[in-house]
Amino acid sequence: KAGVTQTPRYLIKTRGQQVTLSCSPISGHRSVSWYQQTPGQGLQFLFEYFSETQRNKGNFPGRFSGRQFSNSRSEMNVSTLELGDSALYLCASSLEVSGVQETQYFGPGTRLLVL
Amino acid sequence: GQNIDQPTEMTATEGAIVQINCTYQTSGFNGLFWYQQHAGEAPTFLSYNVLDGLEEKGRFSSFLSRSKGYSYLLLKELQMKDSASYLCAVNGQAGTALIFGKGTTLSVSS
Repeated sequence: KAGVTQTPRYLIKTRGQQVTLSCSPISGHRSVSWYQQTPGQGLQFLFEYFSETQRNKGNFPGRFSGRQFSNSRSEMNVSTLELGDSALYLCASSLEVSGVQETQYFGPGTRLLVL
Repeated sequence: GQNIDQPTEMTATEGAIVQINCTYQTSGFNGLFWYQQHAGEAPTFLSYNVLDGLEEKGRFSSFLSRSKGYSYLLLKELQMKDSASYLCAVNGQAGTALIFGKGTTLSVSS
């Protein structure tokens, strides 16, 4: 079974631009979560989508948004990029059955550099 | 607030045993995870604890005490390839949102 895939793997943008990152979960997984990883703050939760609905949201500004499609693929968008948005963005998917917590499996990440 | 603490760095030698501690304070608790992350790679799942006690999986074991807000990851028969960052994460609410500690960088030397 294929793992979580993320595209693109690397991205360079300039301040003020916007960016869209894509995540394809493991087949059959309906929950997709997004995390930002930086050396200073570690891994921080951005948001989670389940059945095309945002179920949880972390403490990030409104410039960070996301969505999920009917095939469970998810995208996240960051508008008006700032230098501090440079980070590794990780997507994780999990199989949820009757609300029971399941293990999250991470994709390889998209490394974003904002200049 | 929500907080997860783990040591920043640890060192050990091949063949040894190392214990990485994690303490947490979260508003809710639906389980604790340990992940391994090699430099430049994605985190990979190691273990999951939701009830008190020890979970053993090969060379790795994880322990949880919910009353103490405490967990540890035990790595036995250390190998060079175990050099990595070890992340403790708590699921503190409905859904799958994980709160991560900043990770413990383990260096294994020969």
